[in-house]
Amino acid sequence: EAQVTQNPRYLITVTGKKLTVTCSQNMNHEYMSWYRQDPGLGLRQIYYSMNVEVTDKGDVPEGYKVSRKEKRNFPLILESPSPNQTSLYFCASSSGRVYEQYFGPGTRLTVT
Amino acid sequence: GENVEQHPSTLSVQEGDSAVIKCTYSDSASNYFPWYKQELGKRPQLIIDIRSNVGEKKDQRIAVTLNKTAKHFSLHITETQPEDSAVYFCAANTGRRALTFGSGTRLQVQP
Repeated sequence: EAQVTQNPRYLITVTGKKLTVTCSQNMNHEYMSWYRQDPGLGLRQIYYSMNVEVTDKGDVPEGYKVSRKEKRNFPLILESPSPNQTSLYFCASSSGRVYEQYFGPGTRLTVT
Repeated sequence: GENVEQHPSTLSVQEGDSAVIKCTYSDSASNYFPWYKQELGKRPQLIIDIRSNVGEKKDQRIAVTLNKTAKHFSLHITETQPEDSAVYFCAANTGRRALTFGSGTRLQVQP
């Protein structure tokens, strides 16, 4: 089954404790993105990757890091989480910039 | 950068009525305009998209229209049903970043 998976689905952590949210897709997609969703603000892109070892900033990259060492995986790293990073995070993949994006199930992160 | 504005933020209709959601965009180079539906607690899913070489596209009860001159596009849902209740997002492609999303419209269909 074609899918995008994310782990964990829910995470409560404390300020400053490094965390990683994993994202994996099995569709051989080149393009992957991370979004955060906050009430009234829609989906805002954090980082994107057009292929292995090619990543770039989206609209709200501050406080986040990513890596793309393999085509299928695109982890999101929060080196020192802060309460303003409390949000719902979605990973997405697509075969190109102007094609359907397939979203993962989401990760709800709370930073206290 | 690209700015996508979406209206209204909430929309309540009676079952069987039509619903229209409107979006405007700022980047004249945008040429791909998808609409995503997000049910409560679920991930966004593509319901329809349109490219700049056409002005209208239909898929059963949903349709999207595009006016490139005015830089706006709209989602039309006819004969609404309770299962259409969800949050709808418009989007437009922008440079290398793929998609900029609107802020969403919460549609409630009253039985």
